[in-house]
Amino acid sequence: GIQVEQSPPDLILQEGANSTLRCNFSDSVNNLQWFHQNPWGQLINLFYIPSGTKQNGRLSATTVATERYSLLYISSSQTTDSGVYFCAVEGAGGSYIPTFGRGTSLIVHP
Amino acid sequence: EPEVTQTPSHQVTQMGQEVILRCVPISNHLYFYWYRQILGQKVEFLVSFYNNEISEKSEIFDDQFSVERPDGSNFTLKIRSTKLEDSAMYFCASSERGVGYTFGSGTRLTVV
Repeated sequence: GIQVEQSPPDLILQEGANSTLRCNFSDSVNNLQWFHQNPWGQLINLFYIPSGTKQNGRLSATTVATERYSLLYISSSQTTDSGVYFCAVEGAGGSYIPTFGRGTSLIVHP
Repeated sequence: EPEVTQTPSHQVTQMGQEVILRCVPISNHLYFYWYRQILGQKVEFLVSFYNNEISEKSEIFDDQFSVERPDGSNFTLKIRSTKLEDSAMYFCASSERGVGYTFGSGTRLTVV
């Protein structure tokens, strides 16, 4: 199946800093999503982005499908951004099943 | 925005007991999924369900597990004879296909 690698595994920031999270995948994709898992364990959908660039407030994401990676940008980070960020990818092989990376654990200090 | 609803949010059960986790997918979605996340670990695929039958399942989804869509709205995961290692967060998701996946808030299962 498709392999999904996320980096860095851990990230510690001061409030106000910017960061870039990366998701590499091993094959062509039909679907790619970024999720934020909050401290209560809920998975919050951030972006559905199989290709191109999207922005939502302080967050933006870019997927370069031909080079098999996606980036999640967090600008002016806040303590509420803390949590784990997951990339989930559905390969183009027809399985219709999203595969998750291991996530990036983000801690934002005040 | 439409939501996937999971109940209960937290369940504690004794080892060896059966549990049923419930999910109400988004009404016009056709594909349904269960995932599991053991504390601190990655989110793992268990099973997908389409057209009233299992379409794919992982190695984790053994005879201890079963899924059912008992009516037009609910989608359930049954775990027979629970073990300590079944303690995890269980997520339900649904998809309309091609639009993306919506995940529920999860059920935290604790087996004691």
